[in-house]
Amino acid sequence: SYDLTQPPSVSVSPGQTASITCSGDKLGNKNVFWYQQKRGQSPVVVIYQDTKRPSGIPERFSGSNSGDAATLTIGGAQAMDEGDYYCQAWDSSYVVFGGGTTLTVL
Amino acid sequence: QVQLVESGGDLVQPERSLNLSCAASGFTFRTYSMHWVRQAPGKGLEWVALISYDGSYTYYLDSVKGRFTISRDNSKKLLYLQMTSLRHEDTGVYFCAREHYGSGSYFDYWGQGTLVAVSS
Repeated sequence: SYDLTQPPSVSVSPGQTASITCSGDKLGNKNVFWYQQKRGQSPVVVIYQDTKRPSGIPERFSGSNSGDAATLTIGGAQAMDEGDYYCQAWDSSYVVFGGGTTLTVL
Repeated sequence: QVQLVESGGDLVQPERSLNLSCAASGFTFRTYSMHWVRQAPGKGLEWVALISYDGSYTYYLDSVKGRFTISRDNSKKLLYLQMTSLRHEDTGVYFCAREHYGSGSYFDYWGQGTLVAVSS
């Protein structure tokens, strides 16, 4: 089976840049998607196909993917960005999620 | 607007069965593949099952294969998850999610989830 590894937590000061990594074997050869989940809510996609932002997602969210790692970057993090972030990829016909990263903005 | 509403979650004893439903509205249900994703209390997301737009193929997480069955009724715009031989580790919130098909498919809409608790 294919595994995606994320750091359990990331902290950032307001206005600073937060980076969340997602690592997997030859992950750069796959499309990576990122979801934000706030407490008590359903997940929301913030990045799809490595780098694309859905409509309504602020420009401060960006993504990259190369080699064995993908990165979600939040430039100028705000308190409203706190929550859990999950990367996702496909392994053939199966969906794989990373373990999730809790982002704290303080 | 797109809506997905899950139902059927309950407290159930180990080895018993439970059926979940997801009612879809606001989009052409029969043209989208659909998924179930679960989340154990305080844990991360875990994909459970996929069914194609027409029900012609399905895929499952290894740990639920043979115990869970995903199905759909396109005429009623309903997605189902039949769960048998439930285990403690099946406890969690179960979300239905719509697959946005494209160059790399992802989940563009999620329901609010329904809670399944497996306990004696």
